Amino acid sequence: SQQGEEDPQALSIQEGENATMNCSYKTSINNLQWYRQNSGRGLVHLILIRSNEREKHSGRLRVTLDTSKKSSSLLITASRAADTASYFCATDANTDKLIFGTGTRLQVFP
Amino acid sequence: DSGVTQTPKHLITATGQRVTLRCSPRSGDLSVYWYQQSLDQGLQFLIQYYNGEERAKGNILERFSAQQFPDLHSELNLSSLELGDSALYFCASSAGSGPGKEAFFGQGTRLTVV
Repeated sequence: SQQGEEDPQALSIQEGENATMNCSYKTSINNLQWYRQNSGRGLVHLILIRSNEREKHSGRLRVTLDTSKKSSSLLITASRAADTASYFCATDANTDKLIFGTGTRLQVFP
Repeated sequence: DSGVTQTPKHLITATGQRVTLRCSPRSGDLSVYWYQQSLDQGLQFLIQYYNGEERAKGNILERFSAQQFPDLHSELNLSSLELGDSALYFCASSAGSGPGKEAFFGQGTRLTVV
């Protein structure tokens, strides 16, 4: 079963716009990670945020974490067509397992 | 390139058959994870090995088994295949075990059961 659920399931925007994806999870965590997957290919790690952090930046990515609401958001600023992909959150639920959410499919139109 | 190698890239086989998927982790990584990705089930964690030992188990069917060898490569064996086993199977590796480890994914093996 999935630990997390992303919202929205799909998102279409124009280049230059910002894209925001949300992730909700069920159990307490040590860390939350975001991954990107281009169609039919392997997942690529984007960013990790620890449970004692509230916000983290990496280039055009901004991740927030609210452990009281068991939710996280990923913001991609000034999106590009090359950002078109599926984005997944993943949590460890205090175990060795890395459990992925359902994913958000992002389409960025030129 | 993540450094994780999976073979074969594609596999087409008939129902009832048995296949073996192979994964070579990044150099130095001790943990190997297997995931199944299908359209209706999303990305499902199957099993994790750390330095040759099973460390965590997920939604892995009894018809499936895995192992990690002394050279740290891993194999996922799928037997008595059913149409519903058609999916992308990913292997990932990380440097250690425990929470908070970034996982590096291979490009996957696409299994089609006909």
